[in-house]
Amino acid sequence: SQQGEEDPQALSIQEGENATMNCSYKTSINNLQWYRQNSGRGLVHLILIRSNEREKHSGRLRVTLDTSKKSSSLLITASRAADTASYFCATVDLSGNTPLVFGKGTRLSVIA
Amino acid sequence: GAGVSQSPSNKVTEKGKDVELRCDPISGHTALYWYRQSLGQGLEFLIYFQGNSAPDKSGLPSDRFSAERTGGSVSTLTIQRTQQEDSAVYLCASSLDPVANTGELFFGEGSRLTVL
Repeated sequence: SQQGEEDPQALSIQEGENATMNCSYKTSINNLQWYRQNSGRGLVHLILIRSNEREKHSGRLRVTLDTSKKSSSLLITASRAADTASYFCATVDLSGNTPLVFGKGTRLSVIA
Repeated sequence: GAGVSQSPSNKVTEKGKDVELRCDPISGHTALYWYRQSLGQGLEFLIYFQGNSAPDKSGLPSDRFSAERTGGSVSTLTIQRTQQEDSAVYLCASSLDPVANTGELFFGEGSRLTVL
């Protein structure tokens, strides 16, 4: 299995601080994606990074990918209470023929 | 509709009953996925449809679970003889292209199943 594993499982920070979440995976990938889930609702795609990319930005989000360490990080800068949610990484294997495999997620709480 | 639509949003059933969960993907999306999420857990892959290819059923936990996709659009996930451990949120997602090309999945809001 190439399941992504997020770290930490839970993170609590003050509004305005940065939040960093990490993801590790097991096998070679085509791309890695981050999703957000508000409590009890569907997942929303945040950002995709391909295996030949090392860093990607989208607004207050910064994602890095280190294929040699089989790891990725998601940084949310200047966090807001509205960022409170669960964040999941998901990987697509090298063939691209298998469905996304999700990790168990990081539960982020941003305290106002 | 603009997004992936799932119904019912909530379903309470008695152990041993059959249930059907419906997913209406975004129009034109060729790929459709079913995932299951137990309370506080990650997403467990169940089944994947891509165009006219045979579905990938490798994630279905038992032969009580089945799914079909009619006309390349609407999908129904059927759970026969439900058990209490089937209680979870069942999430459907669709994507426009094969996952390796665009990668983005669009999720519905899920169907919460409670088996008493």
